[in-house]
Amino acid sequence: QVQLQESGPGLVKPSQTLSLTCAVSGGSVRTGTYYWTWIRQHPGKGLEWIAYINYSGSTYYKPSLKSRLTISLDTSKNLFSLKMTSVTAADTAVYFCVKEDRGGLNGLDVWGPGTTVTVSS
Amino acid sequence: DIQMTQSPSSLSASVGDRVTITCRASQDITNYLAWFQQKPGKAPKPLIYAASRLHGGVPSRFSGSGSGTGFTLTIISLQPEDFATYYCQQYINYPYTFGQGTRLEIK
Repeated sequence: QVQLQESGPGLVKPSQTLSLTCAVSGGSVRTGTYYWTWIRQHPGKGLEWIAYINYSGSTYYKPSLKSRLTISLDTSKNLFSLKMTSVTAADTAVYFCVKEDRGGLNGLDVWGPGTTVTVSS
Repeated sequence: DIQMTQSPSSLSASVGDRVTITCRASQDITNYLAWFQQKPGKAPKPLIYAASRLHGGVPSRFSGSGSGTGFTLTIISLQPEDFATYYCQQYINYPYTFGQGTRLEIK
């Protein structure tokens, strides 16, 4: 059973780069049918899909955020990461790492507990 | 992007009631529709995928239906642990999008 655990800085200053990591256990990031995803939730708001990366390194970013995002995979450590540049207060949110299973229409079937990111000076 | 619209935005009900939440997509998503339950301070919990299939461990009082642009989530015989916020989500096209959520409260 795959489990995910996010880690992040908690507090980031405006204009800096946010780096988040998701450790994967109980499964391999090299599994062909899994897409590794980031989703965020602004305080008191709904859910926003951000980006994915798959086992071959293919990526897709939400167009409105694409210029500031880089998602990557570390197969040696079995984790994936997200970097977001030039953060502002609007990036304050809980960030979830999520496994999408493309193998059987299962969708976003495993979620990490989330990590809170606050952008403030 | 595909827009997902849920109704109602909030709902009050009692333990034992039957409730239905509706989700509408701005274009045909066939059955690429999921439902999630979220409680305060927790990650969303997957309930339903492919519009009507329950994830493992989800009680059978939850059911989903619909295809194309119109979908429903029904909960029969509400239990105390069911009071939460529910989201629908399309996964036919990236970027995936979610409904705005339906908050289910105890009457």
